[in-house]
Amino acid sequence: AQRVTQPEKLLSVFKGAPVELKCNYSYSGSPELFWYVQYSRQRLQLLLRHISRESIKGFTADLNKGETSFHLKKPFAQEEDSAMYYCALRRAAGNKLTFGGGTRVLVKP
Amino acid sequence: NAGVMQNPRHLVRRRGQEARLRCSPMKGHSHVYWYRQLPEEGLKFMVYLQKENIIDESGMPKERFSAEFPKEGPSILRIQQVVRGDSAAYFCASSPGPHSANEQFFGPGTRLTVL
Repeated sequence: AQRVTQPEKLLSVFKGAPVELKCNYSYSGSPELFWYVQYSRQRLQLLLRHISRESIKGFTADLNKGETSFHLKKPFAQEEDSAMYYCALRRAAGNKLTFGGGTRVLVKP
Repeated sequence: NAGVMQNPRHLVRRRGQEARLRCSPMKGHSHVYWYRQLPEEGLKFMVYLQKENIIDESGMPKERFSAEFPKEGPSILRIQQVVRGDSAAYFCASSPGPHSANEQFFGPGTRLTVL
């Protein structure tokens, strides 16, 4: 069975500082990895997916199969990045998403 | 496109009552997923449905929970004889198809409180 772990429940950083949200997974096959974000009073939305290899809102994430990690990074955090972030995994050709417990990011001015 | 709609947004039930949660997928989407989020936890998959078919219900509790997605109308998640442990946020997501390239779009959730 697949599992996703986000070890930090809360990350508090100052505006302009780098931020890294950790995500580790366990799955024996080829996974698809995602980061979802939920801003205050908004619905959960996709931030980025590893197959796209793109940067969204300054965030990047690299799939490291050796370390089974998919950490989310941003070099200069902004106050509008304050939100709840969820890492999720889906089996290749699968349907359901397996989510981590979430990390709350607070960017202080 | 209004996005995925869920109602009610908040639902309060007493122990032993029934709870019905509704999900209308985005226009053009025929695949619906239900997830449950217990307090302080991440979302957990419950069930995946296409129109008139349950495709994967591996995350559904064996008793009291059922789901449907009829040919016409919204998908319904039904919880019979609710208990306090059912208190959670229930999220619905939809996608246009089952393929791995398809993104799941989430609704705002229904927060169920069992007294």
